[in-house]
Amino acid sequence: DTEVTQTPKHLVMGMTNKKSLKCEQHMGHRAMYWYKQKAKKPPELMFVYSYEKLSINESVPSRFSPECPNSSLLNLHLHALQPEDSALYLCASSQGGQGGQYFGPGTRLTVT
Amino acid sequence: AQSVSQHNHHVILSEAASLELGCNYSYGGTVNLFWYVQYPGQHLQLLLKYFSGDPLVKGIKGFEAEFIKSKFSFNLRKPSVQWSDTAEYFCAVSLYGNNRLAFGKGNQVVVIP
Repeated sequence: DTEVTQTPKHLVMGMTNKKSLKCEQHMGHRAMYWYKQKAKKPPELMFVYSYEKLSINESVPSRFSPECPNSSLLNLHLHALQPEDSALYLCASSQGGQGGQYFGPGTRLTVT
Repeated sequence: AQSVSQHNHHVILSEAASLELGCNYSYGGTVNLFWYVQYPGQHLQLLLKYFSGDPLVKGIKGFEAEFIKSKFSFNLRKPSVQWSDTAEYFCAVSLYGNNRLAFGKGNQVVVIP
């Protein structure tokens, strides 16, 4: 199984809402990532978890809060987002730091 | 600053034409190199990757890429494209042993039937 799954596929939320994005992989990968992608642009790295520990935070605003409950799961908690946060949020995983990263289908987030 | 450059952001070509997309990086040291493809409305898929060994790498869907260390390049090629190759193509680079993947700005490829 070489798949990364993400839920929900689409999410519309108001600026005062609290929501969470979920990501799961069963490839035994030890590194998991959150990216933000705007239309026709490359993904922008947000967070990296390595062996369930946060190893990289690319100066992401605190209204985005990542969580890694176990080696297969990665969550992104959202609170008080802004309309400019509307984007496709991608999760990825890799075997350590060298392997190619495998991406999930993403969650299309719209902040109203 | 370290960067990944992709040229000719928009490429339009006819079916059966050959495709070559350029990728240059400015990192020193040992690098891992990747090409990803994103079909319309779909997620990023890994086309091919280079870590070491034979600098000519073959990937899925008939794509190949050649690593030329002296030119800091990792160009993607396909001898004969199909309409289904219409997609956004991203080159990406990571330093050996580093989790951080740097993407180029992408090439939007449109294949006309």
